[in-house]
Amino acid sequence: QVQLQESGPGLVNPSGTLSLTCAVSGGSFSSSDYWSWIRQPPGKGLEWIGQIFLRGSNYYNPSLKSRVTISVDKSKNQFSLTLDSVTAADSAVYYCARHGGFYHDYWGQGTLVTVSS
Amino acid sequence: EIVLTQSPGILSLSPGERATLSCRASQSINSIYLAWYQQKPGQAPRLLIYGASSRATGIPDRFSGSGSGTDFTLSISRLEPDDFAVYYCQQYVTSPPMYTFGQGTKLEIK
Repeated sequence: QVQLQESGPGLVNPSGTLSLTCAVSGGSFSSSDYWSWIRQPPGKGLEWIGQIFLRGSNYYNPSLKSRVTISVDKSKNQFSLTLDSVTAADSAVYYCARHGGFYHDYWGQGTLVTVSS
Repeated sequence: EIVLTQSPGILSLSPGERATLSCRASQSINSIYLAWYQQKPGQAPRLLIYGASSRATGIPDRFSGSGSGTDFTLSISRLEPDDFAVYYCQQYVTSPPMYTFGQGTKLEIK
């Protein structure tokens, strides 16, 4: 069974950079070519941030594209998210997830990131 | 941009009743790109339905999805206490590739 675990700082300064890592275990990292980051502000809905395609281009939400980078380290079975120039509006629970097709079938438990000084 | 609108925002029902949740797209979408998730407080979303009508692994047959074009429905027959949660629909857009979610329907105990 595939398991995903997010990790990273829970507090980020305004105008700083948010950096998170998702470790994949329990199955082959190549079990899917696509892995996503999704976020959820407290008490609000879900927002897809972007995805990494292990064999090609990444794709990002147009609303965040100028600030987002998703990268992969296949040797460590993990992928990462960086979000630049953060504001309080970027405070959210951040999830990593696996693509099973045109949907997300495995999710991490989520990690809360708060943007505050 | 295709927008997904879920209704109602809050649905109050009793255990044993049937729930019908709606997800309407602002433009027609291919049903293979429509999925439903359940989310309980403090937990990650769980995939229920993909391809508009296929149940994910381990999902009981009380959950069913239907619809096509712009109108999709998640039905839950014989509600159990564990079913009370927030439900989201999600679509995949091919060009450029991206996902969008509906705003959610909260299913609460009446």
